[in-house]
Amino acid sequence: QKEVEQNSGPLSVPEGAIASLNCTYSDRVSQSFFWYRQYSGKSPELIMSIYSNGDKEDGRFTAQLNKASQYVSLLIRDSQPSDSATYLCAVMVAGNQFYFGTGTSLTVIP
Amino acid sequence: EAEVAQSPRYKITEKSQAVAFWCDPISGHATLYWYRQILGQGPELLVQFQDESVVDDSQLPKDRFSAERLKGVDSTLKIQPAELGDSAMYLCASRNFLGSYTEQFFGPGTRLTVL
Repeated sequence: QKEVEQNSGPLSVPEGAIASLNCTYSDRVSQSFFWYRQYSGKSPELIMSIYSNGDKEDGRFTAQLNKASQYVSLLIRDSQPSDSATYLCAVMVAGNQFYFGTGTSLTVIP
Repeated sequence: EAEVAQSPRYKITEKSQAVAFWCDPISGHATLYWYRQILGQGPELLVQFQDESVVDDSQLPKDRFSAERLKGVDSTLKIQPAELGDSAMYLCASRNFLGSYTEQFFGPGTRLTVL
């Protein structure tokens, strides 16, 4: 069983704060990790991909990967109300299948 | 910008009826995925194609669901007969098969309601 665990939240942060989203996975051989943003009633939108240990930054978003701890996180700096959405963590396993967590609901309060 | 196309966007049907969903992946993307997403959950893989071949359909309820990608481009997912529990968002995604380091992109989805 390939499991991806996320805290379902809801997570609320004030506008301008840092939002921290966490994800753990069970498949030790996973190599590719992704964060998707999903607005209510819409399909998931890719935000970040990360493949090696450490940090990867893209604008206000930073993904962090620790393969030894089987942990991946997403930091959103200077959070905006438009960041309010559900954030899905996804792991690609051998065979190129993707497994998703249940998502963390984020609300940014103006 | 290239996008995954899906139709219809919304479908309402009665139980025991047949429904079909269509997906056209990003041009050149050899890998195509169908997912089902129930409200409040993450997407769950139903079937994965590599070109016209099924790579993984272990989670596809084969007694009522079928999927095909005859020419290795667009794909159709069918449910017959539909049941109340099939109400969900059906998502199609595609990926450029170039090893491990490529992302998967989703279409807009089809929202199915079974009455």
